[in-house]
Formats: sequence, C-alpha cells, structure tokens
Amino acid sequence: NAGVTQTPKFQVLKTGQSMTLQCAQDMNHEYMSWYRQDPGMGLRLIHYSVGAGITDQGEVPNGYNVSRSTTEDFPLRLLSAAPSQTSVYFCATRGGSYEQYFGPGTRLTVT
Amino acid sequence: AQKITQTQPGMFVQEKEAVTLDCTYDTSDQSYGLFWYKQPSSGEMIFLIYQGSYDEQNATEGRYSLNFQKARKSANLVISASQLGDSAMYFCAMREGIFSGSARQLTFGSGTQLTVLP
Repeated sequence: NAGVTQTPKFQVLKTGQSMTLQCAQDMNHEYMSWYRQDPGMGLRLIHYSVGAGITDQGEVPNGYNVSRSTTEDFPLRLLSAAPSQTSVYFCATRGGSYEQYFGPGTRLTVT
Repeated sequence: AQKITQTQPGMFVQEKEAVTLDCTYDTSDQSYGLFWYKQPSSGEMIFLIYQGSYDEQNATEGRYSLNFQKARKSANLVISASQLGDSAMYFCAMREGIFSGSARQLTFGSGTQLTVLP
C-alpha cells in the first residue's frame, strides 16, 4: 500500500517547455487535488477532482491542465512553463473521512 | 480576504516547554473542519490534528491539542513538552462544508516556523 505517489521528485525545465507531473493513489479515494507551495506561503489549490471524469479549478489554475480518466491517477500538465511556476507541487487525496493524504511533493524549477 | 491567518512567522520554544501556535479563520459556513499539518525540513506534509465545527470538546492527539474558540474563530495548536524533533513549519488549514459532502478543498495559512531550542 503505497498511499500517494508523485513523480518526478525533482525537475528543471526551461521557459516554454511543457511537462506532466504524475500523481497516483492506491486508496480508492474519490477526491484528488493539486496544490503548489511557494516560499513563505501555505499551499494553494490549483485543480481538484471529485471522481473520474470530473475536475474543477482551484485558486491558482492558470497555466495548468488536469484530467482524471481513472480513480487512481491525476496528472498535472504544465502547458508552457514560466519562472513563476517554480514551486513545490503536492498531490493530495481524501476518501469519505476528513483526513487528507499528501504525496511527497515534486520540486520544480523553471529557468 | 484571508480565510486562514497565522500571525507568527517564527516561534522559538525551549525543549520540554509548551508552545501555542495561533490560527484564526474566517468563514460564514456553519459546517467546517480545522486542521493542523507539520512540515519538517524534509518537505512532507504530516497531518497532526482535526477539529470539526460541531465538536464541543477540544481535539487532542498525544502531545498536540487544539484550543478551539468558535466565537473568536480561533483554532490554536498547543504542543506540550516540546521536543527537538518538533522543529518544523506548522500550517493551519480549513475545509468548509465538511459535513455536507462538499467538494471544497483545504485552504491553508502561511505557516509558523517553530524552532525548539535545546
């Protein structure tokens, strides 16, 4: 039982490149979400999903796309990376209870 | 408007002493949940404690307790008998509509960096 896994752990991109951050969970949770954490700030919600085929925007969705084709996976796509997207990205899940489970994070640097 | 406010960017505490980390929140919902997370220097988010808006008793989990004052909209974290391993960033968070099956996600404060001194 791996919980929530994220790949890669670290990534360096050049401005304008695209990439996908992967998130997978094996807890059969309905809710999945992506947050970003910038220095000196708390986590801010980018996108979330309440089940396969259903996604919605959070507080800071611009520059990111998501899709949810299975319960297990919730990838986050950066369409054209910008230095402002340098951040630590966390994926999280929750089931029917209140507790939210976070992945280990992906540290992204855009140069 | 900020939904979660943590006014202490940094705190110091002597080992074995108690420390209170402040958190105030803003919501018009009657149904919400308040959470505290610990983030050590390794970066992972560790769930510490939860308080539901309808809970009459303050939540406790081992050395952690949540001082919930609903009328004042505050949810302070109390760590008793601090240990060196408690040095970390601490985040307060809220989820509104928590008992109504709402899809709303967590909103976080900016965090408090706690340093425990030997």
